Amino acid sequence: QQQVKQSPQSLIVQKGGISIINCAYENTAFDYFPWYQQFPGKGPALLIAIRPDVSEKKEGRFTISFNKSAKQFSLHIMDSQPGDSATYFCAATKIQGAQKLVFGQGTRLTINP
Amino acid sequence: NAGVTQTPKFRILKIGQSMTLQCTQDMNHNYMYWYRQDPGMGLKLIYYSVGAGITDKGEVPNGYNVSRSTTEDFPLRLELAAPSQTSVYFCASSLSGGPYEQYFGPGTRLTVT
Repeated sequence: QQQVKQSPQSLIVQKGGISIINCAYENTAFDYFPWYQQFPGKGPALLIAIRPDVSEKKEGRFTISFNKSAKQFSLHIMDSQPGDSATYFCAATKIQGAQKLVFGQGTRLTINP
Repeated sequence: NAGVTQTPKFRILKIGQSMTLQCTQDMNHNYMYWYRQDPGMGLKLIYYSVGAGITDKGEVPNGYNVSRSTTEDFPLRLELAAPSQTSVYFCASSLSGGPYEQYFGPGTRLTVT
């Protein structure tokens, strides 16, 4: 079964702290792993993505760490800000053909000021 | 450039009624997708299309139908609404030959009672 498991379901972090969200996948054919950010009442928007040929990708305060052998990847948000409060979804897909995203269950992140 | 637009924003249906959720994109994207989002379940793919006249089932297609007569439009049809179809529906589009970002619309919140 093509499944992506995400944890935790919810996370509360103090302003300036590090937020960490974890995902695990089963299908070794997946070769593209994006993270989406969703604010209340809005559609998800791409935050950052990684391919399995690298172990880490950083964009500003956001970093994806990827462990191919463990079939796990995680999102780290450094210096977390109240504006980062949102729901985060990890996803996985195969690049070739239609990119049918398989999403994790989502993590509701709250950054306390 | 409006991106991906969806109508209506909200709808309440009675059991057994039918309706069409509209989705339009103005980015000339070949790929279009319909997802449903249920609390704590992430987003699940209902149907997708890789171009005008070509559609295929996703993970949860039962109770839905789609058509793609133009590049811009990808309507989702519910024929006999059931309470299990109460959800938030998102349409997305992307370029082909990826991986490319999927751009999501603002969503349609549907309640079936």
